[in-house]
Amino acid sequence: DAEITQSPRHKITETGRQVTLACHQTWNHNNMFWYRQDLGHGLRLIHYSYGVQDTNKGEVSDGYSVSRSNTEDLPLTLESAASSQTSVYFCASSGGQGASGLYNEQFFGPGTRLTVL
Amino acid sequence: AQKVTQAQTEISVVEKEDVTLDCVYETRDTTYYLFWYKQPPSGELVFLIRRNSFDEQNEISGRYSWNFQKSTSSFNFTITASQVVDSAVYFCALSEAFTNDYKLSFGAGTTVTVRA
Repeated sequence: DAEITQSPRHKITETGRQVTLACHQTWNHNNMFWYRQDLGHGLRLIHYSYGVQDTNKGEVSDGYSVSRSNTEDLPLTLESAASSQTSVYFCASSGGQGASGLYNEQFFGPGTRLTVL
Repeated sequence: AQKVTQAQTEISVVEKEDVTLDCVYETRDTTYYLFWYKQPPSGELVFLIRRNSFDEQNEISGRYSWNFQKSTSSFNFTITASQVVDSAVYFCALSEAFTNDYKLSFGAGTTVTVRA
């Protein structure tokens, strides 16, 4: 069965360190998204990609970066981790083509709980 | 301005009671999509339903039903005869075809607690 996985599931790191969260999907979806979930803020979009070599900033992109070298993976990098980036991170994918095509619902990975000390 | 409003922060019911979750959205797009997701205590986000702006038919799936009304910009979700396993946070979300290029805007979520 197709799925979307995230690793690690839990991560503790120190302020200032670079951290990369992995996201891998086997749906063969063009679109991939990264969200963070915090109490009081719901789900907020960090970065997204509509295809290989395409990346875009979301509403809370400062301090984060992504790269898309293939269809299956969209790793999220925290350049220099800060305590404000302690959160639960969700990756999602969808098969839609963006504004030019049919949209499909997003399917989410299990999440990564990141703690920055 | 918030695009999706879930005014109910928490709802607590006794098992077998019905519970309705409100979702009000705001958009200027003529083509948009509405979604409901469930987040149980285990933390994963589970897709429940998608509704297109041009399809106002209500939908029923087992104990779940959805009432989409464009006239009031609402997409409400009812759980009939609730069970303990329905305890979760439920999110309503909006995707706007032109304004927001199909990204999702989530409501703040409603926490449903079903007591045995």
